[in-house]
Amino acid sequence: DAGVIQSPRHEVTEMGQEVTLRCKPISGHDYLFWYRQTMMRGLELLIYFNNNVPIDDSGMPEDRFSAKMPNASFSTLKIQPSEPRDSAVYFCASSLGSGQSRETQYFGPGTRLLVL
Amino acid sequence: TQLLEQSPQFLSIQEGENLTVYCNSSSVFSSLQWYRQEPGEGPVLLVTVVTGGEVKKLKRLTFQFGDARKDSSLHITAAQPGDTGLYLCAGPDLTGKLIFGQGTTLQVKP
Repeated sequence: DAGVIQSPRHEVTEMGQEVTLRCKPISGHDYLFWYRQTMMRGLELLIYFNNNVPIDDSGMPEDRFSAKMPNASFSTLKIQPSEPRDSAVYFCASSLGSGQSRETQYFGPGTRLLVL
Repeated sequence: TQLLEQSPQFLSIQEGENLTVYCNSSSVFSSLQWYRQEPGEGPVLLVTVVTGGEVKKLKRLTFQFGDARKDSSLHITAAQPGDTGLYLCAGPDLTGKLIFGQGTTLQVKP
């Protein structure tokens, strides 16, 4: 398996622009997670899906952030409008279970977002 | 709120030295995981510990879960440059979501 695939790997945009990050989870995994990593706050869970349904979006910072999972093999994280403080590395991960079930989460390589 | 605190935050050592990284909390966790993240990549799971007092070994890495399941440690014997990276501990909160410590950045110089 190719692992979790994320695109783009790098994104530079200007404040106010819309940004869309994409993720293809590992086939057969029924959980998908979106994380954000910054030096200040470390790795934070933004939202996660189970069987394509959003379960917990309490980590989504503002209404400017939205995530969708239209099918089992694709998810998007959208920021509209983007702001400089959104600059971070965004990771997608997938697993066969949630953290409580001790299943391994497999992370993608991340998207490095810079908002100028 | 459950928190995981890691120490030290940064560690720079010479090849061949031993080191220990700590992950502490005031809360009890049902399990703890350790991940390693290399520059430009996502975290990769190293181990999961689930029983208080459990010790797991992965080659030169030894992981221990505290008896009270509130803390864990990672000990590396004879560190090598390939061990360089960010080490993260993580555990499920009461809702099942995985929360991460801030991480320990390890640099092993040849």
